[in-house]
Amino acid sequence: TQLLEQSPQFLSIQEGENLTVYCNSSSVFSSLQWYRQEPGEGPVLLVTVVTGGEVKKLKRLTFQFGDARKDSSLHITAAQPGDTGLYLCAGAEAGNNRKLIWGLGTSLAVNP
Amino acid sequence: DTGVSQDPRHKITKRGQNVTFRCDPISEHNRLYWYRQTLGQGPEFLTYFQNEAQLEKSRLLSDRFSAERPKGSFSTLEIQRTEQGDSAMYLCASSLGTSGLLKQFFGPGTRLTVL
Repeated sequence: TQLLEQSPQFLSIQEGENLTVYCNSSSVFSSLQWYRQEPGEGPVLLVTVVTGGEVKKLKRLTFQFGDARKDSSLHITAAQPGDTGLYLCAGAEAGNNRKLIWGLGTSLAVNP
Repeated sequence: DTGVSQDPRHKITKRGQNVTFRCDPISEHNRLYWYRQTLGQGPEFLTYFQNEAQLEKSRLLSDRFSAERPKGSFSTLEIQRTEQGDSAMYLCASSLGTSGLLKQFFGPGTRLTVL
């Protein structure tokens, strides 16, 4: 059962454009994480959000956790070719910090 | 290098053969996870260890799959009688289990191709 839905699944944009990736669920998460994965490598943790309504910024990336802790978004400003990769969200369900629930990922291609 | 390492990085095998993969987690991490990932998809949870104890196995893990972590440090994942459908990237991750946040650190993966 897929508890975390990511959208869009694929995204191809031009350098300099902005984009937003969404991660939605009907479940409440105690924390939610965003990872970025390049081809042939394992996912790399970008950020963890834990508080409803929390906003975190990492250079041109802005992460937001929904007020009800059921959803999150990743916004990239002025995308660059180096941002290309698979973006994954993963959540720890409330009361269970042993295992993450993973989204299927958003494959982003930023064209020069 | 103090990150998670996996060996081998690539494995090509013929259908019906057995394969074994190794994962060395970050040294102080007591939790170790195995995932399977196909191209463009998110990781699928396979199994999870806390120290040497295997605490959870996915229903995706058929009887042909077995994992061990005998001393609570490195882990091995064995696939017996491989099938073409086993072709995937096998990822290992480790974390430091506390009552707080769950942050997993991934290795580079082992890409398995079954011919």
